[in-house]
Amino acid sequence: GQQLNQSPQSMFIQEGEDVSMNCTSSSIFNTWLWYKQDPGEGPVLLIALYKAGELTSNGRLTAQFGITRKDSFLNISASIPSDVGIYFCAGLFTGNTPLVFGKGTRLSVIA
Amino acid sequence: DTGVSQNPRHKITKRGQNVTFRCDPISEHNRLYWYRQTLGQGPEFLTYFQNEAQLEKSRLLSDRFSAERPKGSFSTLEIQRTEQGDSAMYLCASSLIIVVAANTEAFFGQGTRLTVV
Repeated sequence: GQQLNQSPQSMFIQEGEDVSMNCTSSSIFNTWLWYKQDPGEGPVLLIALYKAGELTSNGRLTAQFGITRKDSFLNISASIPSDVGIYFCAGLFTGNTPLVFGKGTRLSVIA
Repeated sequence: DTGVSQNPRHKITKRGQNVTFRCDPISEHNRLYWYRQTLGQGPEFLTYFQNEAQLEKSRLLSDRFSAERPKGSFSTLEIQRTEQGDSAMYLCASSLIIVVAANTEAFFGQGTRLTVV
């Protein structure tokens, strides 16, 4: 079955630093979504990507849909304490297939 | 409409009991998903509905699990004869599918955390 590999599994960074995380797949996806999850809450959608090569920003967040359609990355610039949480990538092949999630990247920000 | 709503937020039950969770999707959304998430893992797909039709079930959905969406609006997920391994966060998500394409965004509820003791 389809699997998503996220890296790194966890990161500890200083407040103000930039962060980069990525997601790779053994299969092609036609949509990539990035979510953030706080403890005890459901995932919150951050960015959606629909075209290979697409680069999309949402405030301090930037995500790209890889040209091969098998990878995506998420960058966070000038991190702040509220960026702490777990970031998940999710891939979608078609509208008739479910979202497949990675295992997440746990981000800790040291003030 | 404030988004996807799930009830209850927390449920503690004794092993062997039945539990039922409810999900109210975003009102105009025709697609509804159920996922399960255990500690340290990403959400794992259980099943999804297009309107009232249940279109796919994963192998994770054993015979003790049943999901319904009787009127194409809210959905329920029932677990019969709960086991300790059922302890997890159960997440519901909804989306609007206009055409069968990949341009869709799924929005999640806050989840129901189940603890089986």
